Amino acid sequence: DVKVTQSSRYLVKRTGEKVFLECVQDMDHENMFWYRQDPGLGLRLIYFSYDVKMKEKGDIPEGYSVSREKKERFSLILESASTNQTSMYLCASGHLGLAGGETQYFGPGTRLLVL
Amino acid sequence: AQKVTQAQTEISVVEKEDVTLDCVYETRDTTYYLFWYKQPPSGELVFLIRRNSFDEQNEISGRYSWNFQKSTSSFNFTITASQVVDSAVYFCAFRNGGSQGNLIFGKGTKLSVKP
Repeated sequence: DVKVTQSSRYLVKRTGEKVFLECVQDMDHENMFWYRQDPGLGLRLIYFSYDVKMKEKGDIPEGYSVSREKKERFSLILESASTNQTSMYLCASGHLGLAGGETQYFGPGTRLLVL
Repeated sequence: AQKVTQAQTEISVVEKEDVTLDCVYETRDTTYYLFWYKQPPSGELVFLIRRNSFDEQNEISGRYSWNFQKSTSSFNFTITASQVVDSAVYFCAFRNGGSQGNLIFGKGTKLSVKP
């Protein structure tokens, strides 16, 4: 059974704080992803990583950074949280393949509220 | 550019009714993959099915069935004899072949099944 875990289900932070969201997967997946989900906008990719210390920008990387020091762990960092970063954050992982058809498996999500 | 459209924002049915969730995609690629995910109120996206562009066979899994038609660029999802536990937001997603990046998600259809 694939297991993707996220460090917090709910988080409340203040504007300007540095925020770390952690994601861990136990399936030895090469690829890991961070999405945010907002009503009416669906899921949008923030960053993804296909290997340790490698990262690629997604559709909305502004205001975020990521870190992947170990294969199983992918962190999303909000350098200076702002109210427009209040959202649901979803982490996913999947195998690296040549065909692009590999399934992504998602964690339970972190609901972040920035006051 | 690729695009996924789920025209139904919300659907409400009574238990035991059949319901079909529509998904239409746009692409110029010949190799691509389509996915359906379920997001119950708990928040975690649960993988339901993956289909590649070369496999137009319909799929049935218990009360769930999927109808893939390349001629109309549709990948519709039917729940037979719906149950209250089917209440969730359902997302259709797309990735083109050879891509290691993100899934392109539709905006989701919220299904409410009333007893």
